[in-house]
Amino acid sequence: GNSVTQMEGPVTLSEEAFLTINCTYTATGYPSLFWYVQYPGEGLQLLLKATKADDKGSNKGFEATYRKETTSFHLEKGSVQVSDSAVYFCALANSGGYQKVTFGTGTKLQVIP
Amino acid sequence: GAVVSQHPSRVICKSGTSVKIECRSLDFQATTMFWYRQFPKKSLMLMATSNEGSKATYEQGVEKDKFLINHASLTLSTLTVTSAHPEDSSFYICSFLERGGSETQYFGPGTRLLVL
Repeated sequence: GNSVTQMEGPVTLSEEAFLTINCTYTATGYPSLFWYVQYPGEGLQLLLKATKADDKGSNKGFEATYRKETTSFHLEKGSVQVSDSAVYFCALANSGGYQKVTFGTGTKLQVIP
Repeated sequence: GAVVSQHPSRVICKSGTSVKIECRSLDFQATTMFWYRQFPKKSLMLMATSNEGSKATYEQGVEKDKFLINHASLTLSTLTVTSAHPEDSSFYICSFLERGGSETQYFGPGTRLLVL
């Protein structure tokens, strides 16, 4: 079956530091890949997505590239801000049907001033 | 982006009572929606999927008689936890799949349930 593995947190960084959150997946076929963010006390929000190999999703300074050869979708940001503190979830969905999404366990990011 | 609301945001109830959680999409219509459960420091666990006008499809291990789902309309779904027990205490999150074939799910803010 499908599965998503992401690095355990929490990750603590100073403001303006470089961020990488690793994510690898196992899936049949050609899934779409997502990063969701959950700010404290809020629901999940779609941060970015990529639907095919070599696609790069980007939003709010965050980027992730769909690497089929390494089955990875690592999240990166060049300079984090305190407001980026949240829990980040890597996820995948197979196309077709009702779009069942498989989530990773989430990585908590804390950015300190 | 699309907005999904959940009510209540937090509820405390006694063991044996039933609790209803509402999930509404505020600015789009959805034929498919999902209910998830999130355990502390764990990922979201899909409980069930429902399509408007048909019965919900439950994931393995989820009791359909305990977690009643009613997809009343294209903008409203309810989850009722019947005869709640302390082990049902959790964070429940709904999501809607936007009509039109998008692969994007829009999530509600979640409901924290505590059963005493």
